Amino acid sequence: EIVLTQSPGTLSLSPGERATLSCRASQSVSTIGSNHLAWYQQKPGQAPRLLIFGASNRATDIPDRFSGSGSGTDFTLTISRLEPEDFVMYYCQQYGSSLYTFGQGTKLEIK
Amino acid sequence: QMQLQESGPGLAKPSETLSLACTVSGGSIRSTSYYWGWIRQPPGKGLEWIGSIFYSGNTYYSPSLKSRLTISVDTSKNQFSLTLSSVTAADTAVYYCARHMLHCSTTSCSPGWFDPWGQGTLVTVSS
Repeated sequence: EIVLTQSPGTLSLSPGERATLSCRASQSVSTIGSNHLAWYQQKPGQAPRLLIFGASNRATDIPDRFSGSGSGTDFTLTISRLEPEDFVMYYCQQYGSSLYTFGQGTKLEIK
Repeated sequence: QMQLQESGPGLAKPSETLSLACTVSGGSIRSTSYYWGWIRQPPGKGLEWIGSIFYSGNTYYSPSLKSRLTISVDTSKNQFSLTLSSVTAADTAVYYCARHMLHCSTTSCSPGWFDPWGQGTLVTVSS
């Protein structure tokens, strides 16, 4: 099983600041030309929403302040200018193996 | 726009079987571009993938649940279902269904990310 470790567990920032969320995999989730990692946003009481797939591809209707990067075992979700509605939970998910796993989540809170 | 909706009892007794269905609207479950997946989230905790199915019936199951799990598809109803036997309190969770998108290399395709998700349904296991 590929274990995903997200850090930090909680990130305290102010609106307008830049957020950097990390997701580290216990083994590589990349193949030649493909990075098998997705990011989701979850608001309280709602289902997760896909933000990023393939480590860096924004999903439909996702604002361009959200960006993803990384390869191999280390991945980053960056939110360039935090809006009030961005202060929620974020999860990464790997599909490098057919035992699909999620990270434990990062909570983004208002400082 | 495709939408998914979970349905089923919100309460199950310990040792009994939990059964949920997911109805797909706005698209066909027969598509060759997707699998269909189940994910759960215990109250206040993270996400756990349960299993996924192709319209033809091919499945991927989480090894930790495989012995208790059956996922099936009913193309006539545009619906797929989950049954989990011998439930305990540890199975209490919000259960989500989701489209499990295929990603393809030059040689093969396999399930990848989940999009979109149903709204989720809380199942409580209690006597």
